[in-house]
Amino acid sequence: DAEITQSPRHKITETGRQVTLACHQTWNHNNMFWYRQDLGHGLRLIHYSYGVHDTNKGEVSDGYSVSRSNTEDLPLTLESAASSQTSVYFCASSESLTGSDEKLFFGSGTQLSVL
Amino acid sequence: SQQGEEDPQALSIQEGENATMNCSYKTSINNLQWYRQNSGRGLVHLILIRSNEREKHSGRLRVTLDTSKKSSSLLITASRAADTASYFCATDKRNKLTFGKGITLSVRP
Repeated sequence: DAEITQSPRHKITETGRQVTLACHQTWNHNNMFWYRQDLGHGLRLIHYSYGVHDTNKGEVSDGYSVSRSNTEDLPLTLESAASSQTSVYFCASSESLTGSDEKLFFGSGTQLSVL
Repeated sequence: SQQGEEDPQALSIQEGENATMNCSYKTSINNLQWYRQNSGRGLVHLILIRSNEREKHSGRLRVTLDTSKKSSSLLITASRAADTASYFCATDKRNKLTFGKGITLSVRP
């Protein structure tokens, strides 16, 4: 069955370190998204991509970057991790930009702790 | 900034009762979607209602949309303990979803 996989499930790192969270989907979806989820804030969009080599900033993109070299993967990089980036990170995908009414398929999330 | 705002923040009901959750938003939308999140898991899509629709059903779910009031409601009928989860509304504008903060639903057996 097609799916969207995030790794690792849990990550502990130190402030200042570079961290990369992986997201891999097997639906061949064009659109991929990264959200962070924090108590009191719900889900906030970090970055998104509508296809290979396309990336766009979301609502809370500072300190994060993404690259899209193929359809299946959208890794999220924290250039220099900060304690404020301690959060649960979710990757999601949807099929097409041209179609309307796109629903998102979510991964199981990565719990990141920055100490 | 949050587009959708759910109400109430938390809801506790007895199994078998109906659960009603509300969502308000601020700007025009293409559609509104509801998602469920079980503890420690990702979000799962429940139902989508387009801006030109007023009501939609899916199994025990009924969603309404009032674009003049910029509000939506999700009704879960005959609730079960397995419905215990967080529920999020999300508004779609230009194929980008913006989520609310969520409602925590507890269904007591």
